Amino acid sequence: DAGVIQSPRHEVTEMGQEVTLRCKPISGHNSLFWYRQTMMRGLELLIYFNNNVPIDDSGMPEDRFSAKMPNASFSTLKIQPSEPRDSAVYFCASSLTSGGPSYEQYFGPGTRLTVT
Amino acid sequence: AQKVTQAQTEISVVEKEDVTLDCVYETRDTTYYLFWYKQPPSGELVFLIRRNSFDEQNEISGRYSWNFQKSTSSFNFTITASQVVDSAVYFCALSGNTNAGKSTFGDGTTLTVKP
Repeated sequence: DAGVIQSPRHEVTEMGQEVTLRCKPISGHNSLFWYRQTMMRGLELLIYFNNNVPIDDSGMPEDRFSAKMPNASFSTLKIQPSEPRDSAVYFCASSLTSGGPSYEQYFGPGTRLTVT
Repeated sequence: AQKVTQAQTEISVVEKEDVTLDCVYETRDTTYYLFWYKQPPSGELVFLIRRNSFDEQNEISGRYSWNFQKSTSSFNFTITASQVVDSAVYFCALSGNTNAGKSTFGDGTTLTVKP
């Protein structure tokens, strides 16, 4: 079975440009997470969806960031306009949640974003 | 609130040494899961193990073993006869039934195994 798929794997863009990161979760998983990882701040949860509905977006840095999950097999994280401080590795993860604690998360390979 | 503490920021050992990574957690939930993840230098995050709060039995998988003790709120990870390929950042995490489906991650322990 395919794991979590993310695209692109690498993205280099100029400040002010729009960036869209894409994620396909594992089939059958009902929870999807977007994380950002940097050396300075470590692993940060940006937003969490359950059954395609955003449950917690308290980690989204500011209005420049938005995320959608139009269906169970696709999610996007958009940054508009991008800034150099957005440079990081962005991970998407999925898991199964069935009313109690969520099970383990399976992470995609990440998108390395560089904003110049 | 839930919290996971990995007090060891970095550990360096020589190949074939045993090494234990500490994880201490805080939660008011009676039902929760504990996890360990590995992030090798290549960057991907890989799930290693899940333990249920009702199951304190220790687990062994090859050179890896996990010790779960509710009395001390700890879930420690031991690598026996470490190898260079074990070099990675290891994250401990907690998911409780009041955490709205999220996991709380520790800050990670960077393990370096030298040949």
